[in-house]
Amino acid sequence: GAGVSQSPSNKVTEKGKDVELRCDPISGHTALYWYRQSLGQGLEFLIYFQGNSAPDKSGLPSDRFSAERTGGSVSTLTIQRTQQEDSAVYLCASMGRSNGVMNTEAFFGQGTRLTVV
Amino acid sequence: GIQVEQSPPDLILQEGANSTLRCNFSDSVNNLQWFHQNPWGQLINLFYIPSGTKQNGRLSATTVATERYSLLYISSSQTTDSGVYFCAYSGAGSYQLTFGKGTKLSVIP
Repeated sequence: GAGVSQSPSNKVTEKGKDVELRCDPISGHTALYWYRQSLGQGLEFLIYFQGNSAPDKSGLPSDRFSAERTGGSVSTLTIQRTQQEDSAVYLCASMGRSNGVMNTEAFFGQGTRLTVV
Repeated sequence: GIQVEQSPPDLILQEGANSTLRCNFSDSVNNLQWFHQNPWGQLINLFYIPSGTKQNGRLSATTVATERYSLLYISSSQTTDSGVYFCAYSGAGSYQLTFGKGTKLSVIP
């Protein structure tokens, strides 16, 4: 597709369950980010993928959070044993080459709104 | 650690007024972007501007890398400009984009 696509748009889950959030980046973009945004707050960095390099996981808040990027394209963010404080909008962005320069503008998906009840 | 500070945190404008939003960052810059988050939550990139000046219609941006700040100018504001404006920054040798806390802009008719 033309833009970054995230699914599902909304997810309601019970406390303690595992959830998987999906991100389809713009075709050809080598960089992919996950962020979390709580209501009325800024964006909290979670994880960054760049090509085949080891991901930067420094923003993951606990070992319940993990992410994969298969084949350098689609990414999945997994939250195990969800807690109420995990409720937030999870945003994915991708970046690629623009005018011969790598990693310039980030393009965001519409986000997944996660509610843990 | 990396710091990105935006000011003002909130801004209310009468339609037609001009405004300047500021972003200060703590180190040398690799990437600097401005985003608009509309009331539906969608983030739209406005400018990629690690240095220099760019203009797009009523919006323009300037980054002075040596003094570690960037400015976003909105002229002749419209109600559709309402939302939250974020700057995002990464330092030299890093691709981790750190976001400021944003400026919430409300344009009233």
